[in-house]
Amino acid sequence: SQTIHQWPATLVQPVGSPLSLECTVEGTSNPNLYWYRQAAGRGLQLLFYSVGIGQISSEVPQNLSASRPQDRQFILSSKKLLLSDSGFYLCAWRGGTGGPYNEQFFGPGTRLTVL
Amino acid sequence: DAKTTQPPSMDCAEGRAANLPCNHSTISGNEYVYWYRQIHSQGPQYIIHGLKNNETNEMASLIITEDRKSSTLILPHATLRDTAVYYCITQAVGYSGGYQKVTFGIGTKLQVIP
Repeated sequence: SQTIHQWPATLVQPVGSPLSLECTVEGTSNPNLYWYRQAAGRGLQLLFYSVGIGQISSEVPQNLSASRPQDRQFILSSKKLLLSDSGFYLCAWRGGTGGPYNEQFFGPGTRLTVL
Repeated sequence: DAKTTQPPSMDCAEGRAANLPCNHSTISGNEYVYWYRQIHSQGPQYIIHGLKNNETNEMASLIITEDRKSSTLILPHATLRDTAVYYCITQAVGYSGGYQKVTFGIGTKLQVIP
C-alpha cells in the first residue's frame, strides 16, 4: 500500500527566515506530486506540481520554490518567509506505477505560522 | 481558477440525508466529477468520482445530470463525523505518467447538527 509523509507537522518561523518542508511517498514509483497551500478559511491553492525528478512547474509566482531531488521526495522551500506565507501546506500524490491515477492522496499537512 | 461552483455552507440534521450540489457547466467530455472532503486540520480525503452514470460506494452516492453540467453528492445518513468541507472538482483521467492539474475551489462547509 502507499503512504505519504510530511514533516514537520507544525512550524513557527520568524519573518525573513528560511523554510524547508519535506514530503515523501512510499509504495509507488514516478508519481505526480503536488504542493498546495490553504490559508485560513480559504480553499486549496495549487503551488507546484511535478511529473518527474527535477521537473517542477509553478502555478503561482511567489517567494517559494520546490524541488524533487528523488522520485518520491518533494521539497518546498523559501529563502525568506513573508507573513503571507502562513497557512496549511499539503503535499499530494497521484498515479505512478503501483498507485491509482484517478484520485489524489493527501498528506497530513504542515501548519506554518510566520510571525 | 476552479471550474465548479458550490454553495459555501449547508446544514444537515444528524441521521438525515445530506445533498450537496455542484455546478460544472463547462465540463469537458473527458472529464470526471470528483468529490473530496476535508475534515478540520487534515488533508482532503477522496470520496467518489463518476463520468456520466450514477455511482455509489460505502461512503456516498453521486448523481450526475444527463447533460453533465451539475451533480449532487448524497450522504445517505449524515453523522457528526461527516462535518467537513466538501470539494467538487472536475479532472480528466489520464495515464499515470501524464500531468493532471487539479484545482480545488472553496467547497461547501457541511455542518451536521445533532
